[in-house]
Amino acid sequence: GNSVTQMEGPVTLSEEAFLTINCTYTATGYPSLFWYVQYPGEGLQLLLKATKADDKGSNKGFEATYRKETTSFHLEKGSVQVSDSAVYFCASWMDSSYKLIFGSGTRLLVRP
Amino acid sequence: EAQVTQNPRYLITVTGKKLTVTCSQNMNHEYMSWYRQDPGLGLRQIYYSMNVEVTDKGDVPEGYKVSRKEKRNFPLILESPSPNQTSLYFCASSLYASPYGYTFGSGTRLTVV
Repeated sequence: GNSVTQMEGPVTLSEEAFLTINCTYTATGYPSLFWYVQYPGEGLQLLLKATKADDKGSNKGFEATYRKETTSFHLEKGSVQVSDSAVYFCASWMDSSYKLIFGSGTRLLVRP
Repeated sequence: EAQVTQNPRYLITVTGKKLTVTCSQNMNHEYMSWYRQDPGLGLRQIYYSMNVEVTDKGDVPEGYKVSRKEKRNFPLILESPSPNQTSLYFCASSLYASPYGYTFGSGTRLTVV
């Protein structure tokens, strides 16, 4: 079946460090891929998306590239800020399933 | 403001006492869905609804019921809650059954003792 696997956290970084959160997917076809962010006490917000192979999603300094050959969608940011501390979820969507399939989430803690 | 509103935000209840978590959206969305979030498991879909009077099971429907009598409302019903239903619940909606414009509510933290 379809699934999403992302690296376990927590990930602890110092401010201005480089961030990578790994995400891989399994699917019977070519899903659309997403990164969501959840700040403490809030719901999920869409961070970025990519709908086909080689697409690059970007927003607020975060980027992720849809890699069909490695079935991956790793999240990166060149210089993290304290305000980026949150839980990040990778997710996929197949039109045949009518649902977002989420990874387990990765907590990011950025220290000043 | 376009939003999905869930109530209550926090709820502590006892085993077996029926409860309803309400979800309402003001965006005229056709599609609505319920998820539960558990540590290490991410979010898992409980039920979804493609339109009024059309609902279907997600991945973890056991112990839950839903109804969709009006387009804007999609309540989640626990007829006889058990401690394993202690979780963080999210309602979401989108215009159609697609991930684009998917909007989440702020969540309901449920504790069953």
